[in-house]
Amino acid sequence: EIVMTQSPATLSVSPGERATLSCRASQSVSSNLAWYQQRPGQVPRLLIYGASTRATGIPARFSGSGSGTEFTLTISSLQSEDFAVYYCQQYYNWPPYTFGQGTKVEIE
Amino acid sequence: EVQLVESGGGLVQPGGSLRLSCAASGFTFRDYSMNWVRQAPGKGLEWVSYVSSSFIYYADSVKGRFTISRDNAKNSVHLQMNSLRAEDTAVYYCVRELYYMDVWGTGTTVTVSS
Repeated sequence: EIVMTQSPATLSVSPGERATLSCRASQSVSSNLAWYQQRPGQVPRLLIYGASTRATGIPARFSGSGSGTEFTLTISSLQSEDFAVYYCQQYYNWPPYTFGQGTKVEIE
Repeated sequence: EVQLVESGGGLVQPGGSLRLSCAASGFTFRDYSMNWVRQAPGKGLEWVSYVSSSFIYYADSVKGRFTISRDNAKNSVHLQMNSLRAEDTAVYYCVRELYYMDVWGTGTTVTVSS
């Protein structure tokens, strides 16, 4: 089973600033990685797939990069609606599909 | 509009059973694989089970206790959950996938407690 590890657990950022979230896989997942956003009390939403492709309707301030075992989600200028928990998920070697434990982006 | 609506959650005693259902609309259901993903209170996301036209898979944590099925004629997917444990307490999401999880239902809450 591929273990996904996200860092940091919590990221404190001011509105308008840049946020950088990391996700590491225990073995290579190529570019088979997705990112999800879960706002408080809401359902998870697909942000990025294929490590760097934005899903339909996702603003351009969200970008993904990386391949192999190291991945990054960058939010270029945080808006109030971006304060949420973000999860990465690998779909290279499954079952099982595995998620990271999440990074909470909070207001500094 | 693509939509997934779960039902069937509730309070059940340890060792009991529940059957979750998910009604899909707005897309050609038979063309997609479907999953159940759960989220325990205050915790992260955990994949539970997968069903396509040809294959079925389960997480080790539920194997032998949960059974997934789909009905393409009724655009629905089900999760029969037996021998429920306290650690199965979670919100259960029905999810459409293209390997990544692109459409999520609103979730149904399962609470296992005496």
